[in-house]
Amino acid sequence: KNEVEQSPQNLTAQEGEFITINCSYSVGISALHWLQQHPGGGIVSLFMLSSGKKKHGRLIATINIQEKHSSLHITASHPRDSAVYICAVGDDKIIFGKGTRLHILP
Amino acid sequence: KAGVTQTPRYLIKTRGQQVTLSCSPISGHRSVSWYQQTPGQGLQFLFEYFSETQRNKGNFPGRFSGRQFSNSRSEMNVSTLELGDSALYLCASSLVGRSLEAFFGQGTRLTVV
Repeated sequence: KNEVEQSPQNLTAQEGEFITINCSYSVGISALHWLQQHPGGGIVSLFMLSSGKKKHGRLIATINIQEKHSSLHITASHPRDSAVYICAVGDDKIIFGKGTRLHILP
Repeated sequence: KAGVTQTPRYLIKTRGQQVTLSCSPISGHRSVSWYQQTPGQGLQFLFEYFSETQRNKGNFPGRFSGRQFSNSRSEMNVSTLELGDSALYLCASSLVGRSLEAFFGQGTRLTVV
């Protein structure tokens, strides 16, 4: 079993829909990260979470440390949100999820 | 402010050869981390350098090595290349490291034939 599991692996939605991507992990952590990777490879760090919830624009990330689970939400999704979203945990040695490929249709 | 620069962007090498990839971090950043991304394994942590010292290392064979110079620029080297080393190699820089709150380069796509 992978130490970091993301679901779904692929997601296609219509513009404007509310999107949820989930991440479950099995190791003890002090922080969890959400990354966004666009076609071509560039990665952007979206959030670092150690508890509760963070919001940046239309993106919201939550974490439940007891349940070892985090969610990334996108409100009013837009085609430019199409990307791979990656969850990662760990401090010294980072462990990554396999990513969720999101495609927003106009 | 210039971003993280990785060179070259694309590289084709033959099995058995060695390769050196370069990463120039954002000015003032002292931590550089390297990652390998393949379709099968996804992203994997290679190593992290901070102030010219390797601070952490992932689970990769000794063929993968790196170093960091006094100006914080970093290089990674892969010797005796194997087909499975074909991947996108990404580096990320940050002020103090030990976090993914970092800025990533565009990566070097290495193809081993």
